[in-house]
Amino acid sequence: DAGVTQSPTHLIKTRGQQVTLRCSPKSGHDTVSWYQQALGQGPQFIFQYYEEEERQRGNFPDRFSGHQFPNYSSELNVNALLLGDSALYLCASSVRLAGFADTQYFGPGTRLTVL
Amino acid sequence: EDKVVQSPLSLVVHEGDTVTLNCSYEVTNFRSLLWYKQEKKAPTFLFMLTSSGIEKKSGRLSSILDKKELFSILNITATQTGDSAIYLCAVEAMEYGNKLVFGAGTILRVKS
Repeated sequence: DAGVTQSPTHLIKTRGQQVTLRCSPKSGHDTVSWYQQALGQGPQFIFQYYEEEERQRGNFPDRFSGHQFPNYSSELNVNALLLGDSALYLCASSVRLAGFADTQYFGPGTRLTVL
Repeated sequence: EDKVVQSPLSLVVHEGDTVTLNCSYEVTNFRSLLWYKQEKKAPTFLFMLTSSGIEKKSGRLSSILDKKELFSILNITATQTGDSAIYLCAVEAMEYGNKLVFGAGTILRVKS
């Protein structure tokens, strides 16, 4: 049973560029959440996707956008990259039960470095 | 604003010691509290707690929740070097979407 997978593992970009990160959820999961984890901090919620729609969003600017595909996989896009966007980006998947997302399981993350 | 505070921020113990990690929280419409272990990248799920006073156990790890005082503890007995990791506490709100609000984590280092 494959767990949550993310690609790429590492990415180096320069300020002003755009980046796309990808996530495939655990088998049987239909909900994908994205988190940003800066060095020395806990993960911060970016947004969550279910049924191909953004259902909830954290305090992140519009430069952060996402998408969910019919196979439940998801993309996170960040435009106009800033140095402060350097972080580990984590994807978590879960299954929706009776209106709630069950336990979230995390992927290995994508380490983004912005120079 | 929802908030999770973990303590201590870091600690170093010797193999065989017992450690207690603390997590206090403030969240609107609490649904659950979760503990994760993060070694290199992916946080791995340890426990989900929803009811006060009921201890959850998994091997040498155990955790309990106090919903009146708004805190949880994670205990690790007979620590091993493989327990060295960042331990993250997160709370889940009863909102559609159920985002997790994380604390900064406790860095545990177990010396042999």
